[in-house]
Amino acid sequence: EVHLVESGGGLVKPGDSLRLSCAASGLTFSRAWLNWVRQAPGKGLEWVGRNEGKVDGGTTNYAAPVKGRFIISRDDSKDTLYLQMNSLKAEDTAVYYCTTDHGVRGSDVWGQGTMVTVSS
Amino acid sequence: DIQMTQSPSTLSASVGDRVTITCRASQSISNWLAWYQQKPGKAPKLLIYKASTLESGVPSTFSGSGSGTDFTLTISSLQPDDFATYYCQQYNGFSRTFGQGTKVEVK
Repeated sequence: EVHLVESGGGLVKPGDSLRLSCAASGLTFSRAWLNWVRQAPGKGLEWVGRNEGKVDGGTTNYAAPVKGRFIISRDDSKDTLYLQMNSLKAEDTAVYYCTTDHGVRGSDVWGQGTMVTVSS
Repeated sequence: DIQMTQSPSTLSASVGDRVTITCRASQSISNWLAWYQQKPGKAPKLLIYKASTLESGVPSTFSGSGSGTDFTLTISSLQPDDFATYYCQQYNGFSRTFGQGTKVEVK
């Protein structure tokens, strides 16, 4: 069974940086395509970005609101996906989820999420 | 970027009702559309992928249809466990986009 566990959330000030982690198990991580999705308090789901497995080229794509500030990376030796968030803004406050990204099946596995609060 | 417009935003219904939620894409996405159910405080759950394929373990009261730009999620007979928020998501190409969500509440 596939499990995703996010960590690294917390309270930071505007302009700060924060790195989230997503530890995966139960899948061949090096081949896995993975997403970050966020949800602001009381709001809907927002796709943040996606990373393909290195076997498939390792392409990374980002949503417009985070492009240039957020970086998705992975460490296949640790079965872990990262989200480096720089120049954080109040509007980045959200629960951040790590999800699988099957080209055909969408996102069938989600982590429990980690909360990021950006406030002065 | 592809925009997804979901309607209605809120739907009031009773147990046993037939419920329909629609999702429209700003350009053709073929059948690269998924539907998710989310309950308060929980991560979303995949219900349907490729517009009409039911995820394993999801009750057959859920069904999806559509292709191109117009899609529908139908719950044929609403059950107590189905009161939740539903999202569509397109996964055509390199980006993904969610609809704004539809909250199905008790009438």
